[in-house]
Amino acid sequence: NAGVTQTPKFQVLKTGQSMTLQCAQDMNHEYMSWYRQDPGMGLRLIHYSVGAGITDQGEVPNGYNVSRSTTEDFPLRLLSAAPSQTSVYFCASRGLAGYTGELFFGEGSRLTVL
Amino acid sequence: AQSVSQHNHHVILSEAASLELGCNYSYGGTVNLFWYVQYPGQHLQLLLKYFSGDPLVKGIKGFEAEFIKSKFSFNLRKPSVQWSDTAEYFCAVNPWDNNDMRFGAGTRLTVKP
Repeated sequence: NAGVTQTPKFQVLKTGQSMTLQCAQDMNHEYMSWYRQDPGMGLRLIHYSVGAGITDQGEVPNGYNVSRSTTEDFPLRLLSAAPSQTSVYFCASRGLAGYTGELFFGEGSRLTVL
Repeated sequence: AQSVSQHNHHVILSEAASLELGCNYSYGGTVNLFWYVQYPGQHLQLLLKYFSGDPLVKGIKGFEAEFIKSKFSFNLRKPSVQWSDTAEYFCAVNPWDNNDMRFGAGTRLTVKP
């Protein structure tokens, strides 16, 4: 049971570098999303997608790009990393048809920007 | 957009004590409500959810929550906590008319053996 798979689990970047956090799910979920988790602030929604070719902004989208070319994959791109983007990132997915509301989370990716 | 407030940042209890964690949300329309739990070093897992019907919902591991519509609240309860309940607990709200699920800041629960 793979579920939601995120890579890498840990990453250290220098300010200004770019990188992509990968997220893949094997549950044929239409909805996928990215959250960042910071102490005292809970999870904040960055971007989400309701299907291939469709993306939308969440609560804190600045500095991040996403695309959804397939149902399975939803990568998160940091074009020019900043120390404020140091965080733990979670990818989550759920189905839309027969909606149960439950989000399935990946294991998280811990990013440090120096 | 909706917002979620969790009143307690850190709660410390002894085993067998009763637990109540507060959650309030702000949104004028119909919502789905959730409690998620994050054990140390793990990802979030669903504890329980409310969609409609009986406002008292029961989840896994003896947890329950009550939806009080007039108070925009969805408080989590457990009659007797165990050391293994040590975790962070997140309340979340998903309005019926959009796909945006918002989380509260979380409450860290420490249960002393």
